[in-house]
Amino acid sequence: GAVVSQHPSRVICKSGTSVKIECRSLDFQATTMFWYRQFPKQSLMLMATSNEGSKATYEQGVEKDKFLINHASLTLSTLTVTSAHPEDSSFYICSAGSPVSSGNTIYFGEGSWLTVV
Amino acid sequence: QKEVEQNSGPLSVPEGAIASLNCTYSDRVSQSFFWYRQYSGKSPELIMSIYSNGDKEDGRFTAQLNKASQYVSLLIRDSQPSDSATYLCAVNGGSQGNLIFGKGTKLSVKP
Repeated sequence: GAVVSQHPSRVICKSGTSVKIECRSLDFQATTMFWYRQFPKQSLMLMATSNEGSKATYEQGVEKDKFLINHASLTLSTLTVTSAHPEDSSFYICSAGSPVSSGNTIYFGEGSWLTVV
Repeated sequence: QKEVEQNSGPLSVPEGAIASLNCTYSDRVSQSFFWYRQYSGKSPELIMSIYSNGDKEDGRFTAQLNKASQYVSLLIRDSQPSDSATYLCAVNGGSQGNLIFGKGTKLSVKP
């Protein structure tokens, strides 16, 4: 079964509105979660690293005021796309590392398709 | 900047053949290596992880790692049409455990 759950799987919103995507680790605590974005036929691009109880670390070129990340508990991180525009339409995927003794295996959520109209 | 390189393909193999997927990485100190499979429109799913030089087998899949050559590969034996997907090579990228992904190799297994 899934070890990382993501919701919603698909969302359509109007331009200028905000959308929240949730990422939950199941059966384990994740102090760190990762948010990726994937445009069609392109690779996964890391947007930010979400740290429980502290501010997220954003990758270069990712606007922190537009993509708000909240990691309020050890099992939940949220990504809010504020003032969404059509160019924000993409596949957003979260991941979390399971607490293995070596290698820190990363598992992905199911992903969230965002369409901004 | 740490990089992971993969041939984008498409790699086309007949059903029942061995598919060989290759990946190179730039950071010599990388310790953890992963292969993910991603079907179109879906999230990546972990197939194999490998941490030590040599081969690691799991069912029809074999991961091979050569740290001296900074090379990791995935072999799929008895390829099935259901194996048709994009295969992503990933390498640990930092102290927080994030992964750096290659652009993926698209595999097509023809019946």
